[in-house]
Amino acid sequence: NAGVMQNPRHLVRRRGQEARLRCSPMKGHSHVYWYRQLPEEGLKFMVYLQKENIIDESGMPKERFSAEFPKEGPSILRIQQVVRGDSAAYFCASSPGTGGADTQYFGPGTRLTVL
Amino acid sequence: GENVEQHPSTLSVQEGDSAVIKCTYSDSASNYFPWYKQELGKGPQLIIDIRSNVGEKKDQRIAVTLNKTAKHFSLHITETQPEDSAVYFCAASGGGSYIPTFGRGTSLIVHP
Repeated sequence: NAGVMQNPRHLVRRRGQEARLRCSPMKGHSHVYWYRQLPEEGLKFMVYLQKENIIDESGMPKERFSAEFPKEGPSILRIQQVVRGDSAAYFCASSPGTGGADTQYFGPGTRLTVL
Repeated sequence: GENVEQHPSTLSVQEGDSAVIKCTYSDSASNYFPWYKQELGKGPQLIIDIRSNVGEKKDQRIAVTLNKTAKHFSLHITETQPEDSAVYFCAASGGGSYIPTFGRGTSLIVHP
């Protein structure tokens, strides 16, 4: 049973380019969460999605960031016009959506470097 | 919203010693408390969790205790090994929010 998959594992972008991060949840999981982690800091929640719906995007910057989880295919976190401050590790987690506080399982992360 | 404090930020022990990491939370409605281990360059891995209807849970060398009255929970690792060296995160969720709030992490170093 494959775990949460993320790709790419490392992504280098120049300022002003777009970054597209992908996340495939564990089999049977319908809920996806995105987090950002800066060096030596904790995990900061960004957005919570179910298939075709954004449930909570309270942690996501209003400008340049967007997320989707289509009916078919992986969840995508898109960062437009990247800036140096976007450099971080981005983690995706999934949960089965059984109701209440779900156990989340994390992927290996995408490490974004903005030059 | 929920606020989770985690201590210490760094913990250094000798192989074979016990290690204890403590977290406090602010929202009395929180009812789910997972612990994650993150090794360098990897994603957080769930190692143990506890729900508010129990006070303690054990899994081999790892145990978690929960004191709902005092709003704190702790991770206990016995007979530590060098491979236990990692960053450990606590989290709290439930009540009005299904989104966990994470502590800032504890860097555990186990010296052989």
